[in-house]
Amino acid sequence: NAGVTQTPKFQVLKTGQSMTLQCAQDMNHEYMSWYRQDPGMGLRLIHYSVGAGITDQGEVPNGYNVSRSTTEDFPLRLLSAAPSQTSVYFCASSLTQRVSYNEQFFGPGTRLTVL
Amino acid sequence: DQQVKQNSPSLSVQEGRISILNCDYTNSMFDYFLWYKKYPAEGPTFLISISSIKDKNEDGRFTVFLNKSAKHLSLHIVPSQPGDSAVYFCAASYNFNKFYFGSGTKLNVKP
Repeated sequence: NAGVTQTPKFQVLKTGQSMTLQCAQDMNHEYMSWYRQDPGMGLRLIHYSVGAGITDQGEVPNGYNVSRSTTEDFPLRLLSAAPSQTSVYFCASSLTQRVSYNEQFFGPGTRLTVL
Repeated sequence: DQQVKQNSPSLSVQEGRISILNCDYTNSMFDYFLWYKKYPAEGPTFLISISSIKDKNEDGRFTVFLNKSAKHLSLHIVPSQPGDSAVYFCAASYNFNKFYFGSGTKLNVKP
């Protein structure tokens, strides 16, 4: 199993550009999530999904869109990038989070810089 | 305002000694707590967790203690090893879906 994969590893954008951060998992996990990590702030939840077709907002959803058309993929879209979105982005997945807590597996991260 | 706080950005410990990492939270609804370990340029990896119905959970060299009245949890690593040098994040949840992370503590275990 490849686990949780994220592409690209690094990305530089100009203000106003759009892009999609890709996340895929091959563990048949129901639950997937996106976090951003900023210095002194830890990881903050952006959006999450409890299954295909179901998404919801986390702590810091503004400026980001997500969709979950398949179990495997959970892309994160920046429609109009801003310098405040410069961060390291992590995708995570877990078997389920419906009636019990389960370990989340994290991808290696995408380092995004917005100029 | 952060609901989970790690007030020590860094900790340095001698190999073989105990490492104690601390975490405080403000939301009394949290019922599950986790610790993650993160090496540079990698994603966090799960270390240990504890439910709010317990006050202690052990896994090998790692023990997590929960003090609900003080809204405080701690991670003990005994004995500490150089390979334990990493950033440690505590996290908490109350509804299965949303997880709140602290800002992390960078542990350096000196040989």
